[in-house]
Amino acid sequence: GAGVSQTPSNKVTEKGKYVELRCDPISGHTALYWYRQSLGQGPEFLIYFQGTGAADDSGLPNDRFFAVRPEGSVSTLKIQRTERGDSAVYLCASSPTDRGGTYEQYFGPGTRLTVT
Amino acid sequence: AQSVTQPDIHITVSEGASLELRCNYSYGATPYLFWYVQSPGQGLQLLLKYFSGDTLVQGIKGFEAEFKRSQSSFNLRKPSVHWSDAAEYFCAVGAGDFGNEKLTFGTGTRLTIIP
Repeated sequence: GAGVSQTPSNKVTEKGKYVELRCDPISGHTALYWYRQSLGQGPEFLIYFQGTGAADDSGLPNDRFFAVRPEGSVSTLKIQRTERGDSAVYLCASSPTDRGGTYEQYFGPGTRLTVT
Repeated sequence: AQSVTQPDIHITVSEGASLELRCNYSYGATPYLFWYVQSPGQGLQLLLKYFSGDTLVQGIKGFEAEFKRSQSSFNLRKPSVHWSDAAEYFCAVGAGDFGNEKLTFGTGTRLTIIP
C-alpha cells in the first residue's frame, strides 16, 4: 500500500510569508507526528496527533507554528510570518494505534522548506 | 528530559568489514530505543527497535543492536557491510504513554563505504 506522502516536496518562500505543508498518512493510521530536521541534525519532534486532537504539541517552537488534523487523516502544518531560521526539512510520520502493544512510526520523504 | 548522543559524526569502513555505530542515551525510565537509516532523498526507515526482553535485537538488512543498561548504550552492529549501507544512521529514544509517541533523535552518524 501507499506510504506517508507529503506535499510539496520543496517549498521556497520569502521571509514573512505564510506557508502550509501537507501530510497524508498511511490509511488507517490514527497517530500522526510532525518533526523538523535542520541541516546536519537529527529530526526534532514538533507535535503528535491521536485522531483529530493534538496529544502533545510541546515541540512547537513558538506561536507562529500551528498544525491541524480536522478529520483525523490528513494534517497540515502551518507556519506564519516565516523566518530564515525556519528553513529545514519537515518530516511527517504516522503509526497505527495499538494500545498495550508496540508500533513504529512510518516516515514520509519530507518537505524541504527554504525561507529567503 | 531524554537525550541521545551519537559520538561519531562520520565513519568510513571498507566493504565487507564489520561495523559498529555508537549510541548513548539518557532517560529516567526504561527506554524504548530505535535505530533509523536515512538515504539521500529517502525517508527515515526503521532498522530495529528495543522495547523489552532480549537485549540483543535483530533488525532488517542484517543489522543488530545490543541494549546495555549499565552503559546506557544501544550500539548498532553489522558483521559485513555492503556498499548499499552507505547512508545516515540515527539512534532515537522514545517517550510517552506507549513509549514511542515522541522520539528524540541523535545528531546522526554518516557512514561511507569504500571499495
